[in-house]
Amino acid sequence: DAGVTQSPTHLIKTRGQQVTLRCSPKSGHDTVSWYQQALGQGPQFIFQYYEEEERQRGNFPDRFSGHQFPNYSSELNVNALLLGDSALYLCASSLVFRENEQYFGPGTRLTVT
Amino acid sequence: EDKVVQSPLSLVVHEGDTVTLNCSYEVTNFRSLLWYKQEKKAPTFLFMLTSSGIEKKSGRLSSILDKKELFSILNITATQTGDSAIYLCAVPISGGYNKLIFGAGTRLAVHP
Repeated sequence: DAGVTQSPTHLIKTRGQQVTLRCSPKSGHDTVSWYQQALGQGPQFIFQYYEEEERQRGNFPDRFSGHQFPNYSSELNVNALLLGDSALYLCASSLVFRENEQYFGPGTRLTVT
Repeated sequence: EDKVVQSPLSLVVHEGDTVTLNCSYEVTNFRSLLWYKQEKKAPTFLFMLTSSGIEKKSGRLSSILDKKELFSILNITATQTGDSAIYLCAVPISGGYNKLIFGAGTRLAVHP
């Protein structure tokens, strides 16, 4: 039973560039949430997708956008990268009616130079 | 504003010591509190505490929830080097589906 997978593992980008991160949820899960974890901080909620729609959003600018595909996998896009976007980006999957059981992927480490 | 505060932020102990990690919270319509262990990247689930389950234990780890005083503690007895990790406390937000609010975490280092 495959857990949550994310790609790529690491990424280095330059300010102003755009990046796309990918997540495949745990088998059977239908909901994907994205979190940003800056160094020394706890994860912060970016947004959540269910049934291919953004269901709710945290306090992040519109430069952060996402998508969920029919197979429940998801992408996180960040435009016009800033140095402050450097962080570990975590994807978590769950079942819509099992809201507390979130399984996290290994994350993508994004470095913006 | 909903918030979760963990203390201490970091802790250094020797193998065999017992540690207590703290998590306080202020959220609307509290339902549950979760503890995660983050060793390298992916946080892994440890415990969920709810109104109907205010104490959990698994091996050397145990956790209690005090709904009156709005805090939880995570105890680790007879610590081992493999316990070295960041321990995160999180609370689901009322009306926020699966949205979790995390504390900043406690970085635990267990030295031989």
